[in-house]
Amino acid sequence: GNSVTQMEGPVTLSEEAFLTINCTYTATGYPSLFWYVQYPGEGLQLLLKATKADDKGSNKGFEATYRKETTSFHLEKGSVQVSDSAVYFCALSERGYSTLTFGKGTMLLVSP
Amino acid sequence: EAGVVQSPRYKIIEKKQPVAFWCNPISGHNTLYWYLQNLGQGPELLIRYENEEAVDDSQLPKDRFSAERLKGVDSTLKIQPAELGDSAVYLCASSLDTGELFFGEGSRLTVL
Repeated sequence: GNSVTQMEGPVTLSEEAFLTINCTYTATGYPSLFWYVQYPGEGLQLLLKATKADDKGSNKGFEATYRKETTSFHLEKGSVQVSDSAVYFCALSERGYSTLTFGKGTMLLVSP
Repeated sequence: EAGVVQSPRYKIIEKKQPVAFWCNPISGHNTLYWYLQNLGQGPELLIRYENEEAVDDSQLPKDRFSAERLKGVDSTLKIQPAELGDSAVYLCASSLDTGELFFGEGSRLTVL
C-alpha cells in the first residue's frame, strides 16, 4: 500500500536559518505529492504540490522537488521566520487530490 | 467566502456515550471527507462522499461509527457508543470533484 515517512520533530531553528524537512514515500503508481501546513489553532492548509517527476512546487518561500529516483519530496526554505512555526505534513495521492495518505507530521519551532 | 465549518470544536464525554459531529462544506463543493487524526499522527480517511453517495467508507469502523450526508451538503459523523480510544481530532474537508481539499478546524473529542 501507499505510505509516507517524514522526519520526526520537533525541528527547532533560529530565525533566518535554513530548513529541510525530509519526506519519502512508497506508492504503487505515480502519485501526486503535497505538503500541508497546520498553524496553531487552524485547519490544515495546502502549502505546495507537485504532480509529476522533477516538478518543483513552491509557495511562501518554501520549495519541494518531486524526485522519483529517490522517492522523495523534501521541503526546504532558505530563511525561516517565527511565523513559520507550525506542523508540516507530507502527503500523496494516486488520484488527483482525493484519498490522501499523510505522513505523521513534523513540528517546526522557530525562535527569534 | 466561508471555509469548511465544523462543530463542536471541543467535546468531552464519558465512555459509552454517543457523540455527533457536524460539517458544513464550502458552498458548491460536491466532495466531502471525514478524516481521523490521532495525537502525533497524520490524518487518516474515514469516509468520502461524492454528493450524497459514500464512495469510500472502507476505513470507517461500522460497528460504532456512522455518517450521513443528506441532500449532498452538510454531513454528520456519529459515534455510538464512544470508547476511550476514540479520543482524537475529527477533521472534515471538502473539494470540487477531485480538486484541492479544504479542511475545517476539526472537532477534538476527549472520551473519559
